[in-house]
Amino acid sequence: GQSLEQPSEVTAVEGAIVQINCTYQTSGFYGLSWYQQHDGGAPTFLSYNALDGLEETGRFSSFLSRSDSYGYLLLQELQMKDSASYFCAGKAAGNKLTFGGGTRVLVKP
Amino acid sequence: GAVVSQHPSWVICKSGTSVKIECRSLDFQATTMFWYRQFPKQSLMLMATSNEGSKATYEQGVEKDKFLINHASLTLSTLTVTSAHPEDSSFYICSASTLGGTGTEAFFGQGTRLTVV
Repeated sequence: GQSLEQPSEVTAVEGAIVQINCTYQTSGFYGLSWYQQHDGGAPTFLSYNALDGLEETGRFSSFLSRSDSYGYLLLQELQMKDSASYFCAGKAAGNKLTFGGGTRVLVKP
Repeated sequence: GAVVSQHPSWVICKSGTSVKIECRSLDFQATTMFWYRQFPKQSLMLMATSNEGSKATYEQGVEKDKFLINHASLTLSTLTVTSAHPEDSSFYICSASTLGGTGTEAFFGQGTRLTVV
């Protein structure tokens, strides 16, 4: 099985940069996904890393190091609308996802 | 991206009754669908994996007789919460994927907020 750890909460101001770390212990690990979830909504896909390195998608980037069992999501140029919960999820065979506990990001003016 | 539709988006039911939640993949064939439950301010917990034409695989601790899953076609999976009780009140979310596991994302439905009174 898999277990993923991430910080519970992060607070930052508009325009700042936030890094959300995710460490995992796993067997059968295929890759690391990141999802954003606003209160009351469903998770929306942000990024996926199957290989080591950095993946950049606009203001959001994600990194994976398999040797360190570690990844992170980088949120740049923070905006108020980025206030949400962010989940890392380990992908296993058959697209099965195991989610971390979630990091609540609060963006202040 | 692909669209997964979940219905209803919210439901209130009386204790002891059953509730059915539908999950449809609208523009692709989903060989596998997943059902999650999420309590307030908590993470998504996988309940079961639903494969088209076969029995669902339940995670440890999930009662298969209480949470009935049917995946009768490549575009529809249903979750029925039987004899619902207040502790079953939660946010239920489905996701869908295609065979092969090469896709990089799971497509989530909008979620169903169940309140049992």
